[in-house]
Amino acid sequence: DQQVKQNSPSLSVQEGRISILNCDYTNSMFDYFLWYKKYPAEGPTFLISISSIKDKNEDGRFTVFLNKSAKHLSLHIVPSQPGDSAVYFCAAKDYQFYFGTGTSLTVIP
Amino acid sequence: KAGVTQTPRYLIKTRGQQVTLSCSPISGHRSVSWYQQTPGQGLQFLFEYFSETQRNKGNFPGRFSGRQFSNSRSEMNVSTLELGDSALYLCASSFKSGTDNEQFFGPGTRLTVL
Repeated sequence: DQQVKQNSPSLSVQEGRISILNCDYTNSMFDYFLWYKKYPAEGPTFLISISSIKDKNEDGRFTVFLNKSAKHLSLHIVPSQPGDSAVYFCAAKDYQFYFGTGTSLTVIP
Repeated sequence: KAGVTQTPRYLIKTRGQQVTLSCSPISGHRSVSWYQQTPGQGLQFLFEYFSETQRNKGNFPGRFSGRQFSNSRSEMNVSTLELGDSALYLCASSFKSGTDNEQFFGPGTRLTVL
């Protein structure tokens, strides 16, 4: 059973606008959440993370929000750039990592 | 520092055969985890090795096995291949097991089963 879900397989956004990628999880014991970015023919690369004791973490254009009561995680990219086009995986961790199915983001120039 | 390397990058096998994939972690990393990526399923955890011992195991049949050597390099073996085993197999390394919050992924091995 999928403990981490990304319900949107794809997302298209105009360059300069905000991209919002969403992720839901079921296990309240997860203590750490991460976003990974994956280009074709490459392995996923770490993007940003957040501990369960926080509700927001920013790193440049990337902000991750955590809503523990709703068991919901989101990644905001502002402003979106064409180079952000990739597949984004959210992940949650207890003693191992659980990944979502990924959202393919296309940023249109 | 060299990244995680995986060999081979591409592999074509037929049903019933077996296959061995290799992963060399980042120097100094002692934990290696393996994942299977298929469309619609995301990355599914296979198993984790730390200091030559399997620490955690995902929900995969016994046809999937692995091992880790004293230099932290890891191999994954799949026996009696099935069409559904076609996937991208990723390994990831980290310094510690379990408590480490970041994994570094290799480029993956694309396995096609005909």
